[in-house]
Amino acid sequence: SAVISQKPSRDICQRGTSLTIQCQVDSQVTMMFWYRQQPGQSLTLIATANQGSEATYESGFVIDKFPISRPNLTFSTLTVSNMSPEDSSIYLCSVQGKREQYFGPGTRLTVT
Amino acid sequence: GENVEQHPSTLSVQEGDSAVIKCTYSDSASNYFPWYKQELGKGPQLIIDIRSNVGEKKDQRIAVTLNKTAKHFSLHITETQPEDSAVYFCAADTDKLIFGTGTRLQVFP
Repeated sequence: SAVISQKPSRDICQRGTSLTIQCQVDSQVTMMFWYRQQPGQSLTLIATANQGSEATYESGFVIDKFPISRPNLTFSTLTVSNMSPEDSSIYLCSVQGKREQYFGPGTRLTVT
Repeated sequence: GENVEQHPSTLSVQEGDSAVIKCTYSDSASNYFPWYKQELGKGPQLIIDIRSNVGEKKDQRIAVTLNKTAKHFSLHITETQPEDSAVYFCAADTDKLIFGTGTRLQVFP
């Protein structure tokens, strides 16, 4: 199994600012994913981040708004840029293990 | 693309009763169907999964069934306990996980 940690666990930010969320995994993984979970809703895939290549974004998500870094096989960051109240969500990091997909504890973001 | 529907959105049962959550998917190419449990303030945790070459899988009190022809799969929890209370998500996977809308299960003592 993979153990995933995320920083920060929660934050309250002002509109127009940016927040970078960190994801650390305890083992080397090829595929990492970033999800958004709006309050009381399901999980929506933002992008897939593979080490050594540009992140692949899903429909409705763009790099300028959600830039992602993947500098090595155990770490990734997601930045939420120029935030608005609509960005208030839980942001989840996930990794593909040998058999299953593991999720981090999430970062709860509130934009005021 | 894949679309996953999940029912019911909320489910309340008495401790010891059974709970059933149902999902349907649209893409016949989907070949992997995991179920996740999400407790308050935590990330989703895999509780059971099934692949398209199997019709049923059981792990203690939890079972999953898959009907590929009808494109639906179900989660069955027997002898429910208060600690089973959580939000449950089904998902279908072709090249990425697509999640259902979630079921909030409440088990009353």
